[in-house]
Amino acid sequence: AQKITQTQPGMFVQEKEAVTLDCTYDTSDPSYGLFWYKQPSSGEMIFLIYQGSYDQQNATEGRYSLNFQKARKSANLVISASQLGDSAMYFCAMSSISGSARQLTFGSGTQLTVLP
Amino acid sequence: GAGVSQSPSNKVTEKGKDVELRCDPISGHTALYWYRQSLGQGLEFLIYFQGNSAPDKSGLPSDRFSAERTGGSVSTLTIQRTQQEDSAVYLCASSLLRSDNEQFFGPGTRLTVL
Repeated sequence: AQKITQTQPGMFVQEKEAVTLDCTYDTSDPSYGLFWYKQPSSGEMIFLIYQGSYDQQNATEGRYSLNFQKARKSANLVISASQLGDSAMYFCAMSSISGSARQLTFGSGTQLTVLP
Repeated sequence: GAGVSQSPSNKVTEKGKDVELRCDPISGHTALYWYRQSLGQGLEFLIYFQGNSAPDKSGLPSDRFSAERTGGSVSTLTIQRTQQEDSAVYLCASSLLRSDNEQFFGPGTRLTVL
């Protein structure tokens, strides 16, 4: 079974500063993928970034980067130069690559508020 | 191109009634997923379709829930004899079956059971 833990129910950050959202995971799958999604108040789920368990380098997508530490089973999201539009709920998720179960297992989310 | 669409966007029903929720995935996506998001909670997996394979129903919470996918495209999630605890946003997602498995989500159907 897979499990995702997000220990920060809410986070605040000043506009233009960087913020790290924590995510730890547990799985017995040898190959897996880690994802971050953003959910604004409108409710849509927006894909941000992906990290494969065998990727040697940390994933980056614009202002988003994923700090992947496999031995610690952590996949923290770093948002640089925060913007007011970054205020949203952020979900960490994982799926199996090696198995047939491709559904995403989600954490409970972190509500990020960017302060002007 | 068109994204994942879901209908209706909102559904209010009375306890005990049956409801059907529809999902149109992105054309060409072989995998389709249903999730449920209760108020202030994360997403809970319900069911997964992949091509012509038997669906993975391991997330369905009770036998009142069922889903089908016709012609490898449109999917319908049916909830029979709805209960108040079924109130949630039901999200559909689709993807290509590849290692990065990015799932594209629809806007969801907000179900309220009175």
